[in-house]
Amino acid sequence: SQQGEEDPQALSIQEGENATMNCSYKTSINNLQWYRQNSGRGLVHLILIRSNEREKHSGRLRVTLDTSKKSSSLLITASRAADTASYFCATQGFGNEKLTFGTGTRLTIIP
Amino acid sequence: EPEVTQTPSHQVTQMGQEVILRCVPISNHLYFYWYRQILGQKVEFLVSFYNNEISEKSEIFDDQFSVERPDGSNFTLKIRSTKLEDSAMYFCARGDYGYTFGSGTRLTVV
Repeated sequence: SQQGEEDPQALSIQEGENATMNCSYKTSINNLQWYRQNSGRGLVHLILIRSNEREKHSGRLRVTLDTSKKSSSLLITASRAADTASYFCATQGFGNEKLTFGTGTRLTIIP
Repeated sequence: EPEVTQTPSHQVTQMGQEVILRCVPISNHLYFYWYRQILGQKVEFLVSFYNNEISEKSEIFDDQFSVERPDGSNFTLKIRSTKLEDSAMYFCARGDYGYTFGSGTRLTVV
């Protein structure tokens, strides 16, 4: 598999439910970031978790990182219709290296 | 912080023509980047620009591509002779950890 693969590729849930997206990567990282992209728009930075962190929270977002398994998950609690978007994980190496993006999960929240 | 502004939002060009995509980071960040996203595919790294020099470039960033920061605030990506496969969304970004991306330029090569 490639660096930064996400599953599922697409996820549809009812408003109010929780959404979980997963990301796997292959190489050593300095940090892992999650971005959101509304259709045809730019990428919005959501949260960054460093390689020495295991869990991080920001509002309704919860990110976990397991460096032994080279995987991360993004949990969005109490989903809203406005959360409908594509979500990408991106890994970053050391020394301000480039971001390597995953394939993304397209999340649809059904009102 | 102020947003990253990209112009134009959409450009249609004939194959073989030169295009210049513009980005205004409006900040004192030292690191700037160009990424592209072919429709329905991953976001791919093109080039990073540090302290007014290219610091890293991908295999995609061949001799047809160039970047400049001509006046200290604008940041441009030039494609000298566009190909059909250059059709994509092009994003500039600034930052070090946790980027701020522009809203993108949709380039369509016909």
